[in-house]
Amino acid sequence: GQQLNQSPQSMFIQEGEDVSMNCTSSSIFNTWLWYKQDPGEGPVLLIALYKAGELTSNGRLTAQFGITRKDSFLNISASIPSDVGIYFCAGQKAGGTSYGKLTFGQGTILTVHP
Amino acid sequence: GAVVSQHPSWVICKSGTSVKIECRSLDFQATTMFWYRQFPKQSLMLMATSNEGSKATYEQGVEKDKFLINHASLTLSTLTVTSAHPEDSSFYICSASASGGWAFFGQGTRLTVV
Repeated sequence: GQQLNQSPQSMFIQEGEDVSMNCTSSSIFNTWLWYKQDPGEGPVLLIALYKAGELTSNGRLTAQFGITRKDSFLNISASIPSDVGIYFCAGQKAGGTSYGKLTFGQGTILTVHP
Repeated sequence: GAVVSQHPSWVICKSGTSVKIECRSLDFQATTMFWYRQFPKQSLMLMATSNEGSKATYEQGVEKDKFLINHASLTLSTLTVTSAHPEDSSFYICSASASGGWAFFGQGTRLTVV
């Protein structure tokens, strides 16, 4: 099935550094979401973006919905060890039966060294 | 946020047997539930979408006779892996959505077929 192209696949950073990851798609999505998944757990929603061009923050996290509706990025500032995990972008198309039906990126594995 | 619970969290079964996984929305009525499969270090792949009281819609390549989905009530959907084989070993995750709302994820079920 369709996937979003997420990069980088993995990142190894020092505590305190900033992190940036992004997702692109060949098709338009009406909503972009960013999730974090810890080992053996389900994904947890971090940020939801609803409008093209929207920039949204959640604590140290900032995400933007690309103006073309085909891309999004997530920034994490001043990383800490508990930021370790896999980050996924996900896109959702317009309403009706598409509500809740998500297409996921391949994920970015984040490792933070103390 | 809304709570979605999966049971069991992990299960080991013998090859050829069937396994049932439950997904419950604990504090809201889920008109739609989604089942995903995730292999190690890979993304979540949608298997099927189920709407309460109707047959599930399966994604291309997913065997409907092997992965039986029942969504008999607004708070419960079940996924039964029939005649399980080692290649069915995976992490199965459900998400639940109220009408027109966001989908919330369960904690996942680790299936190991030996």
